[in-house]
Amino acid sequence: GENVGLHLPTLSVQEGDNSIINCAYSNSASDYFIWYKQESGKGPQFIIDIRSNMDKRQGQRVTVLLNKTVKHLSLQIAATQPGDSAVYFCAEEGSLRFGNEKLTFGTGTRLTIIP
Amino acid sequence: EPEVTQTPSHQVTQMGQEVILRCVPISNHLYFYWYRQILGQKVEFLVSFYNNEISEKSEIFDDQFSVERPDGSNFTLKIRSTKLEDSAMYFCASSERPGGAGGYTFGSGTRLTVV
Repeated sequence: GENVGLHLPTLSVQEGDNSIINCAYSNSASDYFIWYKQESGKGPQFIIDIRSNMDKRQGQRVTVLLNKTVKHLSLQIAATQPGDSAVYFCAEEGSLRFGNEKLTFGTGTRLTIIP
Repeated sequence: EPEVTQTPSHQVTQMGQEVILRCVPISNHLYFYWYRQILGQKVEFLVSFYNNEISEKSEIFDDQFSVERPDGSNFTLKIRSTKLEDSAMYFCASSERPGGAGGYTFGSGTRLTVV
């Protein structure tokens, strides 16, 4: 069946360093990908998204890379700060041409920034 | 910044009882969703709702679940006869357009504990 999953469940990074969080997906029809950040006791918070017709997108301190050949998605966070400590989820969405509005989430990676 | 508001933040109920989880989506949003997250696991889609009807639902969303938009502002999830395995965080989300690209905004969730 379709699956979106993460390679590493936990990641610790020194403050100021860059971090990379990875995600694998298996639905080749996925059209749209989002990274969410979830802090304790809160709902998922949008970080950055990318469409399947792109392979890279940059935001403020964050970059998402999409490799459709190997169905791999990554989130790079530059110059990490203590506030970046959270669980990060990738999510994918199928084509809306088929009425598919739901997000399928990966299992999450806990990122801890070490001061 | 507009928010999705969920109440209560924590609900404890006895097995077999009915619960209603409430959500106030962002006022100009037209698409509404419920997701749940069992402790330590990934966020899972339950149901999407548009134009006063369900547009998509998952296998989890069986006959014990129902959703309603009783007035112009609230969006509710009812669980008719709760089971122990219904214990989870339940997140409401809304978007201006269908799907993730429509800018899903998640609420902070309701933690449901079934005892």
